[in-house]
Amino acid sequence: DIQMTQSPSSVSASVGDRVTITCRASQDISNRLAWYQQRPGKAPKLLIYSISSLLSGVPSRFSGSGSGTDFTLTISGLQPEDFATYYCQQANSFPRTFGQGTKLEIK
Amino acid sequence: EVQLVETGGGLIQPGGSLRLSCAASGFTVSSEYMTWVRQAPGKGLEWVSIIYSDGRTYFADSVKGRFTISRDNSKNTLYLQMNSLRAEDTAVYYCVGAPNAYFFDYWGQGTLVTVSS
Repeated sequence: DIQMTQSPSSVSASVGDRVTITCRASQDISNRLAWYQQRPGKAPKLLIYSISSLLSGVPSRFSGSGSGTDFTLTISGLQPEDFATYYCQQANSFPRTFGQGTKLEIK
Repeated sequence: EVQLVETGGGLIQPGGSLRLSCAASGFTVSSEYMTWVRQAPGKGLEWVSIIYSDGRTYFADSVKGRFTISRDNSKNTLYLQMNSLRAEDTAVYYCVGAPNAYFFDYWGQGTLVTVSS
């Protein structure tokens, strides 16, 4: 199975800040990488797929980058609604696997 | 508008069976790639199973041989039949739809399954 490791596990930031979350795959996953946002008590929501493609309707302050095994999610100009948990997910092989999550908290 | 509504969760004893349903609207289940993802209380996301538009199915090792995924095209509904349930199957189960086999676009609200005596 491909292991997905996110860092940090949690991060505190303020409204307006820029935050970067990293995700490392245990092997090359090509461009089969997605990012999800989950607010408390809600279902996850797809933000970015294929490393850097924003789903329609997702604010442009979200961006993704990386290649091979190392990927990043950047949120520029944090808004109050961005405080949530973020997960990366690989889709290069079965079983599909997620990172353990990064909780973004208000400082 | 795409909507997925899961039902069938509840409290079940270890070793028991449960069938989850996911009624879809706004798209056709048979034309999409339909997935179940679960989340244990306070934990992260775990992929469970997928059914392709051509009927192929795949399962996580943790549920292989115990869970089956299927769909009823006439009802536009996805199912997850769960047998031989264990305490570690306790989770919120999400039904997910997507136009491809890779990423998870549309999520239901989830249904809680609790396996306990």
